[in-house]
Amino acid sequence: AQKITQTQPGMFVQEKEAVTLDCTYDTSDQSYGLFWYKQPSSGEMIFLIYQGSYDEQNATEGRYSLNFQKARKSANLVISASQLGDSAMYFCAMTYLTGNQFYFGTGTSLTVIP
Amino acid sequence: DTEVTQTPKHLVMGMTNKKSLKCEQHMGHRAMYWYKQKAKKPPELMFVYSYEKLSINESVPSRFSPECPNSSLLNLHLHALQPEDSALYLCASSHTRTGFGYTFGSGTRLTVV
Repeated sequence: AQKITQTQPGMFVQEKEAVTLDCTYDTSDQSYGLFWYKQPSSGEMIFLIYQGSYDEQNATEGRYSLNFQKARKSANLVISASQLGDSAMYFCAMTYLTGNQFYFGTGTSLTVIP
Repeated sequence: DTEVTQTPKHLVMGMTNKKSLKCEQHMGHRAMYWYKQKAKKPPELMFVYSYEKLSINESVPSRFSPECPNSSLLNLHLHALQPEDSALYLCASSHTRTGFGYTFGSGTRLTVV
């Protein structure tokens, strides 16, 4: 069963605008972590932001913030003030804190338009 | 040192060749992983090593042979590959309880001709 769902295969955003990438997850476990990674065409998987299931505050890292709604099981990534260099694939991922496997979503391809 | 280093970055090999991919980390992580990724798709887990022992093999064909000679090094030996094995191969490492320090290498882009 799919544990991570990203429903937006492709997204476009105007430079300097904000964009939200959707991610929902499916688990009955209480201890888990949620990640967002950026993967440019070069292939490197770049860590962006992390949210633990027990974290009460939404995670923020510079222009990235994670809108964590635990009851709805969603962990959307918000990128503020988009830049051309933000054009890439974005993957949402989940891991259980007692295991060592990552579950990836199918990814969202973001294109920033000048 | 907070990096996972993968070599080579690019590799072209024939179907009868034998080659190896190398992955190294010096973060004290005791779990290391190999992933295979096709274009525009998420990474697919191949192998997991925990404390230098193979703990997960996701039904990977035997033409891929992993090896973990020590806690810092992970190899993937390749033999008799098929063109459909062409992909980006990513290595990652983490503390044995993931959620902490999960770090990816920059990958090896493999082309089988």
